[in-house]
Amino acid sequence: QSVLTQPPSVSAAPGQKVTISCSGSSSNIGNNDVSWFQQLPGTAPKLLIYENNKRPSGIPDRFSASKSGTSATLAITGLQTGDEADYYCGGWDSSLSAGVFGGGTKLTVL
Amino acid sequence: QVHLVESGGGVVQPGRSLRLSCAASGFTFSRHTMHWVRQAPGKGLEWVAVIESDGINKYYADSVRGRFTISRDNSKNTLSLEMNSLRGEDTAVYYCARQENSLDYWGQGTLVTVSS
Repeated sequence: QSVLTQPPSVSAAPGQKVTISCSGSSSNIGNNDVSWFQQLPGTAPKLLIYENNKRPSGIPDRFSASKSGTSATLAITGLQTGDEADYYCGGWDSSLSAGVFGGGTKLTVL
Repeated sequence: QVHLVESGGGVVQPGRSLRLSCAASGFTFSRHTMHWVRQAPGKGLEWVAVIESDGINKYYADSVRGRFTISRDNSKNTLSLEMNSLRGEDTAVYYCARQENSLDYWGQGTLVTVSS
């Protein structure tokens, strides 16, 4: 059971928009920054979003994120088949003094 | 460019020990907090441990506390994970990751299989 809760799967057609939610608590999302990671099949995770809504260099602006209270959301617009991957939210839990991840969401581009 | 290369994985019997290493290059290793994250086959990411840049403060996941020890050698740009009393549920790909605002660079991972 993951500390952060994500939907197991989402799907949408090419060109469409999809959102992935991440729910936590005051000890993690509520008081600490959220990051989002993309993991393509057979590869290591890759940072997509840091500090709730910032994109590292090289990440297209089709990827955006927001945070409100104890929840965060990743949005991907203009979906491409190459976006098919597992997406994870993550952060720090101040009560646990530990890193935490969501269970991951598998994105299927139909 | 930043490069993280894990090594030391393999097949080990339950109850035995294994030491993983992560060789870092392309950045000032001694200035960065470093993490270990693992992923069991077909499962999601699980955070394992973190060590701050000076090696003093360390934190562990409940699932490994007391059995795993994270350490670093800033003179050799190396991060380590000493794993004792290994269990079947420790079977996973182990990644080291650099912290710069978030986990911005990850290694390719090394597979640890705990099996008799």
